[in-house]
Amino acid sequence: EVQLLESGGGLVQPGGSLRLSCAASGFTFSRYAMTWVRQAPGKGLEWVSGLSGSGVSTYHADSVKGRFTISRDNSKNTLYLQMYSLRVDDTAVYYCAKLKNGGDYGSDVFDIWGQGTMVTVSS
Amino acid sequence: DIQMTQSPSTLSASVGDRVTITCRASQSISSWLAWYQQKPGKAPKLLIYDASSLESGVPSRFSGSGSGTEFTLTISSLQPDDFATYHCQQYNSYLFTFGPGTKVDIK
Repeated sequence: EVQLLESGGGLVQPGGSLRLSCAASGFTFSRYAMTWVRQAPGKGLEWVSGLSGSGVSTYHADSVKGRFTISRDNSKNTLYLQMYSLRVDDTAVYYCAKLKNGGDYGSDVFDIWGQGTMVTVSS
Repeated sequence: DIQMTQSPSTLSASVGDRVTITCRASQSISSWLAWYQQKPGKAPKLLIYDASSLESGVPSRFSGSGSGTEFTLTISSLQPDDFATYHCQQYNSYLFTFGPGTKVDIK
C-alpha cells in the first residue's frame, strides 16, 4: 500500500525551529517529486515547498523562502521540511504529498497525501 | 502568482441533487486544473486532474470540465459520502495555488 506518514509537529515559540519528516512506503520513492502543503486552522490549502526525485531541484513559496528548507534522503525513503524563524502565521497542519507522475518536479498533481502533522507557533 | 477563486463558498444540497462548483483562474492555465475532496480532519483526496480526467477509483458521478480560466466540478447525484469541502488547484505553474474551497453541506 502506498503510504506517507508525517511526524515532527508540535508547539514552538515564535522565532523557533522545527523539522518535519515524511516517511514513504509502497512506491519507489526516489522516482517521484514530493511536496509540502499546509492548511491553517479553518483555512484553505497553501503549497509550501517541493523538490525533484533526486533532491537537486527545490522550490519554495515566497511566504517561506529563506526560512524553510525542503530535502530528502532517498536511502531512507524520507522527506524533510526544516523550518526556521517560525512565525505565528506558520501555524497549520502540514501535509506531505507525492506528485502523480515520475520524473522532475513540474506541472503535476498530488495523488498521495499523508495524514498531516500539526505545527503550532505560539508564545 | 496565479490566483484561484471558487464559487459558491458554501453549498447546501440534498442527497440525489446535481451539484456544480465553479473555479476561476486569474490567467489562462490551459487544462492544468485538479479537484480535491477533503473531509474534516482528513487529508485531501485527488478526484479530477487535467480538468476532466477522473482519478482511478473515483466514482463516475464526479466529472470536471473547462479550460483556460473557467472550470467546473459536477457531482451528478450527490451521495451521503460526498458531503465535504472541494478544492481546485492549478498546476500550470510549479508555484501551485489552490482555490479557497467550497463546502458542500446537508440541506
